Amino acid sequence: QVQLQQSGPGLVKPSQTLSLTCAISGDSVSSNSAVWNWIRQSPSRGLEWLGRTYYKSKWSKNYAVSVKRRITINPDTSKNQFSLQLDSVTPEDTAVYYCARGDQSFHIWGQGTMVTVSS
Amino acid sequence: QSVLTQPPSVSAAPGQKVTISCSGSSSNIGNNYVSWYQHFPGIAPKVLIYDNNKRPSGIPDRFSGSKSGTSATLGITGLQTGDEADYYCGTWDSRLSAVVFGGGTKVTVL
Repeated sequence: QVQLQQSGPGLVKPSQTLSLTCAISGDSVSSNSAVWNWIRQSPSRGLEWLGRTYYKSKWSKNYAVSVKRRITINPDTSKNQFSLQLDSVTPEDTAVYYCARGDQSFHIWGQGTMVTVSS
Repeated sequence: QSVLTQPPSVSAAPGQKVTISCSGSSSNIGNNYVSWYQHFPGIAPKVLIYDNNKRPSGIPDRFSGSKSGTSATLGITGLQTGDEADYYCGTWDSRLSAVVFGGGTKVTVL
């Protein structure tokens, strides 16, 4: 049974970097058949896919255009987890952040992390 | 503004049926699988439909999905008060090389 456990701070100051981690159990971040995503949800923007990473002979990443200049998603094979970094955050980045496994559909989700951007 | 277009809200009485539309283009819905998600505040979204019309185990057959051209539809029959939630469609967009979601539809049981 695959489970995703998120960790990271719930409060980030404007202009700083948001950092979250998603620990994987029951699967491998290096699996050739899995894709690892970050998605956020806010009342004003609904569900918003941020990006993904996956391994198929080599590591690949895709990012949403809206955050492409500020986002980094990295796998950590030693800890079997993957991370999200979002730079130069503003109050508009306030949202619940989720990690999720899936390619075109997301069947496994983390528990969610409410991140507030405020000074 | 979302790449996929959904109605902001739909409503019906208990026991009735609602349908939620999701409109896109050839770069997304037209050539990729559609999935549908149910979201309650404070809980992670749950996939109701994947690959256009397949239901994961445990999802009742009151929920159904279909796709035609560049549009997809979620149907909910036998509406229950527990179905009051936000519903999102999602798919891959080949032009953007990104997953895209609709803006979400709030279902209200009258």
